[in-house]
Amino acid sequence: DIVMTQSPTFMSKSVGDRVTMNCKASQSVGSNVDWYQQNTGQSPKLLIYKASNRYTGVPDRFTGSGSGTDFTFTITNMQAEDLAVYYCMQSDSYPFTFGSGTKLEIK
Amino acid sequence: EVQLVASGGGLVQPGSSLKLSCVASGFTFSTYNMHWFRQAPKQGLEWIGMIYYDGSHNYYSDSVKGRFTISRDNSKNTLFLDMNSLRSEDSAMYYCSKGTSTFAYWGQGTLVTVSS
Repeated sequence: DIVMTQSPTFMSKSVGDRVTMNCKASQSVGSNVDWYQQNTGQSPKLLIYKASNRYTGVPDRFTGSGSGTDFTFTITNMQAEDLAVYYCMQSDSYPFTFGSGTKLEIK
Repeated sequence: EVQLVASGGGLVQPGSSLKLSCVASGFTFSTYNMHWFRQAPKQGLEWIGMIYYDGSHNYYSDSVKGRFTISRDNSKNTLFLDMNSLRSEDSAMYYCSKGTSTFAYWGQGTLVTVSS
């Protein structure tokens, strides 16, 4: 199975900050990585698909990049409503696997 | 509007069985692959399996292979998850979703608790 190593586990940032988190795949997954946001008590929400494509309606402060084994998710000008847990997921091969998540706290 | 309504969760004893359902609407169910995910309390997301749009193929995670079976009834726009030999570690919120590899729509989930 492909292991997605996500870092950091936790971040505390201020409104207006730039936020960066990473996922490293244990083998190449091409561009088959999505990023999801999950607020407390809610279902996951798709933000970025195929590594760098912003899903419909997602604000442009959310961006993704990378290919192969290394992927980055960035929030520029973080807002208070961005408080959530963020997950990467590879869909290159079954079983699909998630990173362990990055919890973003507002400082 | 796409809707995925999962149901069938509850409190069950270890070793027992449970069948979850996910009723879909707002899209042509019979043309989409469907997936099940789960999330244990205060834990991360886990993909547990999928079924092709026509029911011809399934894939499962190792954690549920041989115990869980995913099926579908395209005439009723319904996805199923048959869970057998349940363990405490199967306790989780179970979500269904549609798509090949990107999941823009998630149901509200149904909670399964396995405990004696």
